[in-house]
Amino acid sequence: KQEVTQIPAALSVPEGENLVLNCSFTDSAIYNLQWFRQDPGKGLTSLLLIQSSQREQTSGRLNASLDKSSGRSTLYIAASQPGDSATYLCAAFYGQNFVFGPGTRLSVLP
Amino acid sequence: GAGVSQSPRYKVAKRGQDVALRCDPISGHVSLFWYQQALGQGPEFLTYFQNEAQLDKSGLPSDRFFAERPEGSVSTLKIQRTQQEDSAVYLCASSLLAGGRDTQYFGPGTRLTVL
Repeated sequence: KQEVTQIPAALSVPEGENLVLNCSFTDSAIYNLQWFRQDPGKGLTSLLLIQSSQREQTSGRLNASLDKSSGRSTLYIAASQPGDSATYLCAAFYGQNFVFGPGTRLSVLP
Repeated sequence: GAGVSQSPRYKVAKRGQDVALRCDPISGHVSLFWYQQALGQGPEFLTYFQNEAQLDKSGLPSDRFFAERPEGSVSTLKIQRTQQEDSAVYLCASSLLAGGRDTQYFGPGTRLTVL
């Protein structure tokens, strides 16, 4: 069964810290992996998409890496800000559907 | 800008009622997905459309769930004889390319509460 897990489930940090969110997937036959942000009561916003042939993607203060062989992806957030507070979900794409992790709930304290 | 829209945003139904949830994808997007998200969990795949063709409905939890996209744009998710376990947020997403291998754009969701 294709499963995606995320660690930690929740994280609270002071403003300015660099942090790492972890994602693991059981089936390495992914087409791509996508990181999303979800604010309370809102839909998902795509942050970064990494194709299976790529090792990492960067956008501003965000950097995501992908290691297919070990079934892992990490999202690195530099110099965190209170506006980064949200739930972060990773999703592995297997051809016609995404398998989502349960998310990491991030709180950045001012 | 024109993103993915869903209506209604909130729906309260009595157990046994039928409901219909609407998704307006971004114009020109070929792929359309429906997901179900329970409280505190990640979204779970329900069904996938490529234009008007429903290519994957493996995630629909029962035959009470039915989805259509007759003209390859707007999609409707229908739930018949709703049950309390159907309470969740239903998310719609669209992507430009077939197969959904590019960025998916999500709507705000419809929160369904079945009493």
